[in-house]
Amino acid sequence: NAGVTQTPKFQVLKTGQSMTLQCAQDMNHEYMSWYRQDPGMGLRLIHYSVGAGITDQGEVPNGYNVSRSTTEDFPLRLLSAAPSQTSVYFCASSYYGSGGEGEQFFGPGTRLTVL
Amino acid sequence: RKEVEQDPGPFNVPEGATVAFNCTYSNSASQSFFWYRQDCRKEPKLLMSVYSSGNEDGRFTAQLNRASQYISLLIRDSKLSDSATYLCVVNPRDSSYKLIFGSGTRLLVRP
Repeated sequence: NAGVTQTPKFQVLKTGQSMTLQCAQDMNHEYMSWYRQDPGMGLRLIHYSVGAGITDQGEVPNGYNVSRSTTEDFPLRLLSAAPSQTSVYFCASSYYGSGGEGEQFFGPGTRLTVL
Repeated sequence: RKEVEQDPGPFNVPEGATVAFNCTYSNSASQSFFWYRQDCRKEPKLLMSVYSSGNEDGRFTAQLNRASQYISLLIRDSKLSDSATYLCVVNPRDSSYKLIFGSGTRLLVRP
């Protein structure tokens, strides 16, 4: 199993550009989520999904969109990039229900810089 | 007040030392607790869950004090390979199943 994969690993954008961060998992996990990690702030939840066709907002959803058309894929779209979105983005997945959400499996991350 | 608070460190200890990390959480209804480890420029990985009775995994011991809303991680006989950031994580087990991450405590183990 590849686990959780993310592409690209690195990306530089100009202010106002849009892009999609890709995330895929092959563990048949229902729960998937996107986090951003900034120095001294810890991981903050952007959006999450408990299954195909179901998404919801996390702590910091503004400026980001998600969709979940399949169990495997959970892309994150930046609508109009801003310097404040410079961060490391992690996608994660886990089993849903019965406390399984505690063990989340993370992708390797995407390092995004917005100029 | 942050929902999950940790001392950012860094804790700089010699090999073989015993080191303890503490974490406090604000939501008294929280149900599940975890320690994750994150190496430099890598993704977080689950180190261990924290159970009410306390639990041990080799050199690592985790404890939970619900009355004080306090979680701890003890590392005995530190190895160079233990150098990493340790994240305290709380799952409030509300309807959203969101995990709340502390900002992490950095550990440096020196030869």
